[in-house]
Amino acid sequence: GENVEQHPSTLSVQEGDSAVIKCTYSDSASNYFPWYKQELGKGPQLIIDIRSNVGEKKDQRIAVTLNKTAKHFSLHITETQPEDSAVYFCAAFADSSYKLIFGSGTRLLVRP
Amino acid sequence: NAGVTQTPKFQVLKTGQSMTLQCAQDMNHNSMYWYRQDPGMGLRLIYYSASEGTTDKGEVPNGYNVSRLNKREFSLRLESAAPSQTSVYFCASGDSSGNTIYFGEGSWLTVV
Repeated sequence: GENVEQHPSTLSVQEGDSAVIKCTYSDSASNYFPWYKQELGKGPQLIIDIRSNVGEKKDQRIAVTLNKTAKHFSLHITETQPEDSAVYFCAAFADSSYKLIFGSGTRLLVRP
Repeated sequence: NAGVTQTPKFQVLKTGQSMTLQCAQDMNHNSMYWYRQDPGMGLRLIYYSASEGTTDKGEVPNGYNVSRLNKREFSLRLESAAPSQTSVYFCASGDSSGNTIYFGEGSWLTVV
């Protein structure tokens, strides 16, 4: 089955700097890769996603890149703000199985 | 997290007791999911339902049963609760292509 690995587990950056979180997946059938942000006591919220036929997607300060050959994808947050502090999860989904498998999460701390 | 409702929000059980977590979505989604999240860990898939009338095991199904009652509702049952099932449980739903999977707010379960 699918296995998703996520790094780093914790990341501390200065406000205004960029943050990068990386994930790898194992199942070549996976074709949809969402990223979720989870704040304390809340459920995960989708912040950006990418399909396997696209290499990069941007939405204001966040972007996701996908290297299908290497089976890895990354989340990039630019001009970080204290409100970006949260736990971020990557995930991989295959249309063939309907399973959404998560990485272990990255705790991002943005220092004012 | 609009559209996915979980009940109860908090529950304390004694070892050996049974209980059912309820989940309902109002987005006319075909697929529904149950995850558990333990401290410092990512979300692990317990069971999922790709469409009404079907259910499949996820990564950690032991000790749980599910019922896809209709298109809207997907319940998770613990027949004989164990302390190892102390966790936060999240229900989620998604459309037929898996795009934009939404999560509920979570159910905090403690087994003593």
